[in-house]
Amino acid sequence: DTAVSQTPKYLVTQMGNDKSIKCEQNLGHDTMYWYKQDSKKFLKIMFSYNNKELIINETVPNRFSPKSPDKAHLNLHINSLELGDSAVYFCASSQREGMDTQYFGPGTRLTVL
Amino acid sequence: LAKTTQPISMDSYEGQEVNITCSHNNIATNDYITWYQQFPSQGPRFIIQGYKTKVTNEVASLFIPADRKSSTLSLPRVSLSDTAVYYCLVGEGGGSYIPTFGRGTSLIVHP
Repeated sequence: DTAVSQTPKYLVTQMGNDKSIKCEQNLGHDTMYWYKQDSKKFLKIMFSYNNKELIINETVPNRFSPKSPDKAHLNLHINSLELGDSAVYFCASSQREGMDTQYFGPGTRLTVL
Repeated sequence: LAKTTQPISMDSYEGQEVNITCSHNNIATNDYITWYQQFPSQGPRFIIQGYKTKVTNEVASLFIPADRKSSTLSLPRVSLSDTAVYYCLVGEGGGSYIPTFGRGTSLIVHP
């Protein structure tokens, strides 16, 4: 039983396209996150939602728009993709905000050509 | 927010004990210290969390001195499968916490 799942696992697309990454957790957690890990393995938080409300928005370009239709889902939509968006995107969830243990998905490797 | 500093990389050999130290000089009274492990092509996973002194589980031990300005993750008798990136995070259990993973410490275990 996968706790945090992401789709797709790989995404290859052209510059200027719009794409979405989906995330679902079946742990009953209240908080979900999106992280970006660049080619140098720097892992940085982008967004966090708690009970479908945005609580962290870390200076991410407006082209990135998270959407949480319910507590179990947090999707990431990216408009007008740029070369610099190429990275691995991880979704995670935790029971609550703060230092609660985070459970990560397998990641989505996005390549923008 | 407490800032953490940890070595970028470490090398070890199978069977050795590995200690990775994280500095967090401005840790606050309510802050906890948490370590995550990330294998290649996977998301990070929780290893251990502590507040003071020593915490041990089946994977690792976490040593925290009295001043709490640093912490040391200890991996006993490492194997090749312990090759991974290890992240140290510091923060409290409140809503103002922003998880900061950074680049972590890349541990390579050699045969």
